[in-house]
Amino acid sequence: GENVEQHPSTLSVQEGDSAVIKCTYSDSASNYFPWYKQELGKRPQLIIDIRSNVGEKKDQRIAVTLNKTAKHFSLHITETQPEDSAVYFCAAYQGAQKLVFGQGTRLTINP
Amino acid sequence: KAGVTQTPRYLIKTRGQQVTLSCSPISGHRSVSWYQQTPGQGLQFLFEYFSETQRNKGNFPGRFSGRQFSNSRSEMNVSTLELGDSALYLCASSGDQETQYFGPGTRLLVL
Repeated sequence: GENVEQHPSTLSVQEGDSAVIKCTYSDSASNYFPWYKQELGKRPQLIIDIRSNVGEKKDQRIAVTLNKTAKHFSLHITETQPEDSAVYFCAAYQGAQKLVFGQGTRLTINP
Repeated sequence: KAGVTQTPRYLIKTRGQQVTLSCSPISGHRSVSWYQQTPGQGLQFLFEYFSETQRNKGNFPGRFSGRQFSNSRSEMNVSTLELGDSALYLCASSGDQETQYFGPGTRLLVL
């Protein structure tokens, strides 16, 4: 079955700097890759997603890149702000509404 | 549209008891997926229902079961509770595409 590895598990950056979180997946049939942000005590919120027919997608300060050959995808957050502090999860879609999640990255933005 | 709702939000049970959790999807969404979130295992897929049929199932024991009603509302049941079942149980609904929107979760504590 699908396996998703996410790195790093924790990430601390200065406010205004960029943050990058990387994920690799094992099943080449996976074709949809969402990223979720989960603040403490709250539900995971979809922040961006990418399908396998594109290599990059951007939404304001957030971008996701996908390398199908290498089977990895990354989340890029630029000009980080304190409200970006949260746990971020990547996921790979395995079909029939099954998402396989990475283990999460706890991002801390230092003022 | 109203978001995904889950009831109850918190539950305390003792070992050996059973529990039923409820999820109401976004209006118009026919797919409901269930996930278990724990600090150690992260987010793990339990099962998915579409039009009252289970389409996909994760690697959980038979004590975990679910169903979906004609109005797309879904319930999951855990019988013979164990201490290790303590977790945040999240449901997610989706419409025509793979994008999943999560509810606030039910936090279950088994004593």
